[in-house]
Amino acid sequence: RKEVEQDPGPFNVPEGATVAFNCTYSNSASQSFFWYRQDCRKEPKLLMSVYSSGNEDGRFTAQLNRASQYISLLIRDSKLSDSATYLCVVTVNTGFQKLVFGTGTRLLVSP
Amino acid sequence: DTEVTQTPKHLVMGMTNKKSLKCEQHMGHRAMYWYKQKAKKPPELMFVYSYEKLSINESVPSRFSPECPNSSLLNLHLHALQPEDSALYLCASSQVGGGDQPQHFGDGTRLSIL
Repeated sequence: RKEVEQDPGPFNVPEGATVAFNCTYSNSASQSFFWYRQDCRKEPKLLMSVYSSGNEDGRFTAQLNRASQYISLLIRDSKLSDSATYLCVVTVNTGFQKLVFGTGTRLLVSP
Repeated sequence: DTEVTQTPKHLVMGMTNKKSLKCEQHMGHRAMYWYKQKAKKPPELMFVYSYEKLSINESVPSRFSPECPNSSLLNLHLHALQPEDSALYLCASSQVGGGDQPQHFGDGTRLSIL
């Protein structure tokens, strides 16, 4: 079983749609959780951290369910500029961070 | 603009060449990382430095040699690479011990081995 699993997509949605991505992780010792976004041929960029209480940043909402080892990202009112690959990332901290990446979910937002 | 700076942006080298990739950050982070990313794959961890000491080597071949001259700089020395080593090499940094502190990535060096 992969440490972090994501649906690779692509998710094709029209502008203005709401889209949700899911991610599961296998290591119950994982301590921190993030969503990164990566544009084609660019570096990963932090989109948001994910907290147990859930957190929202504008059109983006992240949820964490530690009992189910499940993370989600909801994007409302999709924009063309949201087209990218979304990477689910978990860490195991042993004095330093070791990031474990999911394979990413590709989102294509069309006019 | 990224706060982690990598040079060069692109590098083409032969299998017998020796070259180095450089990474610099001025965020006061004490953990720095090298990743390798192939097309359509997620980044794969290669090395972790914590307080300028090598903490993790993910069984990387010895033709890749990391170096951390000081807390702001991280190098990756390359020698006798193979065509399959062609990839995007990403540097990242984070606060040490900050479990909820994310890693910040540079924009990478795109390496091609002829």
